[in-house]
Amino acid sequence: AQKITQTQPGMFVQEKEAVTLDCTYDTSDQSYGLFWYKQPSSGEMIFLIYQGSYDEQNATEGRYSLNFQKARKSANLVISASQLGDSAMYFCAGSFSGGYNKLIFGAGTRLAVHP
Amino acid sequence: DVKVTQSSRYLVKRTGEKVFLECVQDMDHENMFWYRQDPGLGLRLIYFSYDVKMKEKGDIPEGYSVSREKKERFSLILESASTNQTSMYLCASSAPHRDEQFFGPGTRLTVL
Repeated sequence: AQKITQTQPGMFVQEKEAVTLDCTYDTSDQSYGLFWYKQPSSGEMIFLIYQGSYDEQNATEGRYSLNFQKARKSANLVISASQLGDSAMYFCAGSFSGGYNKLIFGAGTRLAVHP
Repeated sequence: DVKVTQSSRYLVKRTGEKVFLECVQDMDHENMFWYRQDPGLGLRLIYFSYDVKMKEKGDIPEGYSVSREKKERFSLILESASTNQTSMYLCASSAPHRDEQFFGPGTRLTVL
């Protein structure tokens, strides 16, 4: 069965520093997609970044980059130059062979950015 | 901009009540989803729908049903609410052949 694992319940980082949020996945599929979402205290889920299993380059979106290591089945999110507004829950999710664009989510990591 | 709206941000109901959670999207998406979010468990899929009147069970469908009479609207129904259904409920939609899901603001349901 497919699974997404986030082993860090909470992380903190100093403002302006970089932080890495870990995500590993378990699947035997060859074609899949990996996502990161941000959930501020207001509750809405905000899409951050996507990596396809066949993408050769690591995905980047502004200050967000995805460190995709296929052999290790990891898809870590790197946030550079952290800002106070980055304090939120972060969820890693995967889209696998079940179809209909279903997502499987990890348990989430709560990030606190300190001034 | 894609917009997904949910009928209530906060809801308090009594055990045994029938509860309706409504979700509307304005981007003509075929796929719609209902999740519940609990601390330490992430988001878990309750039901999803890939077309009007079509529905499929997710990972935790017990105690829930859904209705999709129109493309833009997907309703989650708790036939007889129980305290273990106290949770945050999130609705999402996506276009076919696009994995990215767009989420509503969530409904925090408390069952007393």
